[in-house]
Amino acid sequence: QVQLVESGGDVVQPGRSLRLSCAASGFTFSNYAMHWVRQAPGKGLEWVAVISDDGGNKYYADSVKGRLTVSRDNSKNTLFLQMNSLRLEDTAVYYCARDIRQGGYDFNDYWGQGTLVTVSS
Amino acid sequence: DIQMTQSPSSLSASVGDTVTITCRSSQFISNYLNWYHHKPGKAPKLLIYAASSLQSGVPSRFSGSGSGTDFTLTITNLQPEDFATYYCQQSYTTRLIFTFGPGTKVDIK
Repeated sequence: QVQLVESGGDVVQPGRSLRLSCAASGFTFSNYAMHWVRQAPGKGLEWVAVISDDGGNKYYADSVKGRLTVSRDNSKNTLFLQMNSLRLEDTAVYYCARDIRQGGYDFNDYWGQGTLVTVSS
Repeated sequence: DIQMTQSPSSLSASVGDTVTITCRSSQFISNYLNWYHHKPGKAPKLLIYAASSLQSGVPSRFSGSGSGTDFTLTITNLQPEDFATYYCQQSYTTRLIFTFGPGTKVDIK
């Protein structure tokens, strides 16, 4: 069965860096684009970034552009989110989600349980 | 950028009720609209894609409609497990830059 397991969340100081991972299993990882979505405390879901199946295309929300970088290692079935210059407002639970295209429509059919990043001095 | 709005932001309902949540996009998105529900500490779950297609395994009490800029999620015969926050998501852009609505929290009256 499809599984996505995030890891790497921690408490970090503003300005520091952190790398999140999302380990995928139960499907051919290299065939799917992957997304990162976050939820800050008391807030709604916010789309963060997407990477194409081969890693050649990456897009970001304006709020994280230039600071967060999405990447993947298809040989290890793992998605990454490198988080640099962290800000207080980056505090959130970060989810990875699979993108599926069905009948010309894209959506996120599987999600991980999330990993918590807390940015605090 | 495409912006999404939802109404109401929250509602109270009882088991067995029918509830309707509205989602509006800031520009035309055809039927590239998905619905999810999300409970605290859990992974979000896809309910509806392409505005009205029920995801496999999702109960038929969930239904979606709409096209263009205005969309609706309807839940009939509300069940205890349906008390959650519901989000719409547009997937119209070709670069997979999705946008979520702000969410609608459904709680027990």
